[in-house]
Amino acid sequence: GQQVMQIPQYQHVQEGEDFTTYCNSSTTLSNIQWYKQRPGGHPVFLIQLVKSGEVKKQKRLTFQFGEAKKNSSLHITATQTTDVGTYFCAVLASGGSYIPTFGRGTSLIVHP
Amino acid sequence: DTGVSQDPRHKITKRGQNVTFRCDPISEHNRLYWYRQTLGQGPEFLTYFQNEAQLEKSRLLSDRFSAERPKGSFSTLEIQRTEQGDSAMYLCASSFGQGGSPLHFGNGTRLTVT
Repeated sequence: GQQVMQIPQYQHVQEGEDFTTYCNSSTTLSNIQWYKQRPGGHPVFLIQLVKSGEVKKQKRLTFQFGEAKKNSSLHITATQTTDVGTYFCAVLASGGSYIPTFGRGTSLIVHP
Repeated sequence: DTGVSQDPRHKITKRGQNVTFRCDPISEHNRLYWYRQTLGQGPEFLTYFQNEAQLEKSRLLSDRFSAERPKGSFSTLEIQRTEQGDSAMYLCASSFGQGGSPLHFGNGTRLTVT
């Protein structure tokens, strides 16, 4: 079955520091989605990456899809307390039924 | 767009009882998914529908679980003879298209089995 690894599991940062989470798949992907879940909330879609080597930006967030379409990263520049939450990648395998398989997530804790 | 709604928000039940949850997806979305999430984990796929057809179920899904989407709109998830290990957040999500589209999640139903 589809294997998705996300690292790190937790990350503590001081407000203003940068943050990066990594997502790795055992198989080549069709696309990858990123979600954010605030404490007590539900996952909310952030972005989708489809093309090999693709880079997308949303304000302070930068998303990258690996050249081999097996890994991805999310980088946040100059974290703010509003960035607190768990960031999940969800992978969709090539040639499959396009059911997103979620990673375990990286919980970001920002200290003011 | 009123979003995905789930009912109830919380359910406490005794072991051995049956429970049923409801999900109302975004109206124009043809795909509906059920996921389960426990503390510290990502959402785990249970099953999904395209319109009224249930197209895939997780191999991890016990036969005590059944889901329906009779008219291709709302869906229900029933758990029979609940066990303590069923305690989790049950999330419903919907999307539009043939697959690969972003999921829109509801607030979930938190189940506690005592």
